Amino acid sequence: QKEVEQDPGPLSVPEGAIVSLNCTYSNSAFQYFMWYRQYSRKGPELLMYTYSSGNKEDGRFTAQVDKSSKYISLFIRDSQPSDSATYLCAMSSGSSASKIIFGSGTRLSIRP
Amino acid sequence: EAGVVQSPRYKIIEKKQPVAFWCNPISGHNTLYWYLQNLGQGPELLIRYENEEAVDDSQLPKDRFSAERLKGVDSTLKIQPAELGDSAVYLCASSLPGGGTGELFFGEGSRLTVL
Repeated sequence: QKEVEQDPGPLSVPEGAIVSLNCTYSNSAFQYFMWYRQYSRKGPELLMYTYSSGNKEDGRFTAQVDKSSKYISLFIRDSQPSDSATYLCAMSSGSSASKIIFGSGTRLSIRP
Repeated sequence: EAGVVQSPRYKIIEKKQPVAFWCNPISGHNTLYWYLQNLGQGPELLIRYENEEAVDDSQLPKDRFSAERLKGVDSTLKIQPAELGDSAVYLCASSLPGGGTGELFFGEGSRLTVL
């Protein structure tokens, strides 16, 4: 079993829809939770960053962390065609020696 | 501010040939990473540097892969000899010291095809 599991998709939704992307994990030591967005043939870019449990909102994006369930989510409101990309969750325990573990990514397509 | 720069963007070689990838991190970022990304998968760490010291190379296949970061800035990742299974994207990333919190800045990657 992988430390981080992510629905591979692909996920296709109409423009304007609310998108929900999710990851589960097994390592209770994870404290830092990230969402990266990766456009085709580009490197990942950090989209959202959360420490411990709770919600964080940034414009149309909301990240949620539920440490008790070992479950994280990314919500995208009013989705746009420009949101079409692969979304990677990532997490770390935060110590200087810790690895950052990435999910396999969910491919998202927003239909105009 | 310039981002992480990688070259070449694309490389096609025949198996058993050597190949090298170069990375220039963001100025002031002491921590540098090389990741491997296979198609449809997330990045997997190959090696992490703090300045010029390799602090985590446990996932680097040392029989054919090598890396160096002279002077603690630019880095080179080498494969010799390349195998068919090495076809992937090699991503370089950098971060402020430590980097364990996950705020990484990635380059656009070097896409390797081994024939």
